Formats: sequence, C-alpha cells, structure tokens
Amino acid sequence: GAGVSQTPSNKVTEKGKYVELRCDPISGHTALYWYRQSLGQGPEFLIYFQGTGAADDSGLPNDRFFAVRPEGSVSTLKIQRTERGDSAVYLCASSLIPSASNYNEQFFGPGTRLTVL
Amino acid sequence: AQSVTQLGSHVSVSEGALVLLRCNYSSSVPPYLFWYVQYPNQGLQLLLKYTSAATLVKGINGFEAEFKKSETSFHLTKPSAHMSDAAEYFCAVSDPNFGNEKLTFGTGTRLTIIP
Repeated sequence: GAGVSQTPSNKVTEKGKYVELRCDPISGHTALYWYRQSLGQGPEFLIYFQGTGAADDSGLPNDRFFAVRPEGSVSTLKIQRTERGDSAVYLCASSLIPSASNYNEQFFGPGTRLTVL
Repeated sequence: AQSVTQLGSHVSVSEGALVLLRCNYSSSVPPYLFWYVQYPNQGLQLLLKYTSAATLVKGINGFEAEFKKSETSFHLTKPSAHMSDAAEYFCAVSDPNFGNEKLTFGTGTRLTIIP
C-alpha cells in the first residue's frame, strides 16, 4: 500500500514569507508526528497528533510554527514569517495509535526540504 | 529527559568487514530503543527495535543490536558489510510511559563502505 507522502518535496521561499507543508499519512494511522532535521543533525520532534488533536506540541520552537489535522488524516505544518534558521528537512511520520502495551512502528515520509533565502 | 549519543559521526569499513555503530542512551525509565537507516533522498526506515523483550534484537539486512542496561548501550552490528549498507544511521529512544512514542534521535553516523 501507499506510504506516507509529503508535498512539496522541495520548497524555496524568502525570509518573512509564510509556508505550508503537507503530510498524507498511511490510511488508518491515527497517530501523526512532525520532526525537523537540520543539516548534520538527527530529526527533532515537533508535534504529535492523536486523531484531530495535538496531544503534544512541546517541540514547536516558537509561535511562528503551527500544525493542524482537521479531519484526523492529512496534516499541514504552517510556518509564519520564515527565518533562515527554519531551513531544514521537515519529516512526517504516522503510526497506529500508540499504547503502553504494544509498540507501533512510525513510518516516515521522504520529507520536505525547506530553504529560506 | 531522554537522550542518545552516537559516537563517531563518520565510520568507514571495508566491504566484508564487521560494521559496528555505537549508541549510548540516557533515560530515567526503561526505554524503547531503535535504529533507523536513511538512504540519500529517502525517508527513515526502521532497521530494528528493542521494546523490553529479548535483549539481542535482529533486524533487516543482517543487522542486529544488543541492549546492555549496565552499559546503557545499544550498539548496531553487522558481521559483513555490503556496498549497499552505505547510508546514514540514527539511533533513537522513546519513553513507553510517556503516553505517546515520540522519538529522540542521535545526531547520526554516516557509514561509508570501502570496496
């Protein structure tokens, strides 16, 4: 079946602009995660959705970053007033609903490479 | 708080030689531990995971890792390297009691295979 897809694959924008990054999770996966991978670093957690609600947004760096998942499937990461430091690969992952008794693998998309000039 | 340290940002081994990628973790509770592989321009792929069952975990592509609580380590090994193993490898940890399974990643180790 189809994996996690992310669009666009590449996004170049100018400092101060607004961008939206989209994630289509695997069908039936209720958990969705966003991570950010800066050059030479490992992915860093941004936000986690269970269904439509953000269960943990502790990784969002500041209030310029916001994410939604209105119907519990597709998610959009929104970045306002972009800065050069926002340049990174933004990764999305989805999984079945986590539980304390059973680990459910996170499946990652290919990422969106954001470049802020 | 949890963290992961990967020793060696770059590792080179000859084709057919042993691969050893090091990972040490810090966690206040018994963790879940993972190794992911990332090929150029591709998403992260799970190699193997430790979720409190057997301490020696076998994964895909001939890789395995051993959870050693006394050493707080989860090193990744493969007996014989193939050219196709050239990629970036990430160790990650999650807290199974946290309520979700967000992953905390190390900084990665780039593996180069010498023909």
